[in-house]
Amino acid sequence: DIQMTQSPSSLSASVGDRVTITCRASQSISTYLNWYQQKPGKAPKVLIYAAISLQSGVPSRFSGSGSGTDFTLTISSLQPEDFATYYCQQSYSTPFTFGPGTKVDIK
Amino acid sequence: QLQLQESGPGLVKPSETLSLTCSVSGGSISSRSYYWGWIRQPPGKGLEWIGNIYYSGSTYYNPSLKSRVTISVETSKNQFSLKLSSVTAADTAEYYCARETRDSSGYYQYFDSWGQGTLVTVSS
Repeated sequence: DIQMTQSPSSLSASVGDRVTITCRASQSISTYLNWYQQKPGKAPKVLIYAAISLQSGVPSRFSGSGSGTDFTLTISSLQPEDFATYYCQQSYSTPFTFGPGTKVDIK
Repeated sequence: QLQLQESGPGLVKPSETLSLTCSVSGGSISSRSYYWGWIRQPPGKGLEWIGNIYYSGSTYYNPSLKSRVTISVETSKNQFSLKLSSVTAADTAEYYCARETRDSSGYYQYFDSWGQGTLVTVSS
């Protein structure tokens, strides 16, 4: 199985801050990397697929980058509705695996 | 608009079989464009992919659960189901069903639509 790690595990930020979350795969996954946002009591919602592609309807302040084993999710200007937990997920091979999550809360 | 809804018992006894159904509305489960999957999340923890199914019945399972998992599809009812046998407290989790789509290139898969989730507790 491909193991996914994320850093940091949590962070505190203020509205308007630029936030960067890192995801690392245990082997090269090309650009088969997705990012999800999950709010408490809700299902995850896809933000980015194929490492860099913005899902329809997702605000442009979200962006993704990376390839191989190292990936980044960036929120250019944090909004109140962005406080949530973010997960990366590889779709390079089954079993699909998720990172442990990064919780973004209010500073 | 596509909607997925999980249903099934919220409490299952240890050693018994967990059974859940995902009802799909606003779209056809028989579409050749999608797989249909199950993902679970223990309370306060991360996400685990359980497996998926194509409308034809072709399945992929997580090897960590493969010996206990069966996913099936009933196209006439626009539903797919999960059975997990010999459950223990470690199987207590929120269970989500989701649609697995591919981008326009056909290479990249991701979960683009999810049910609201259903909490299943394993306890005597």
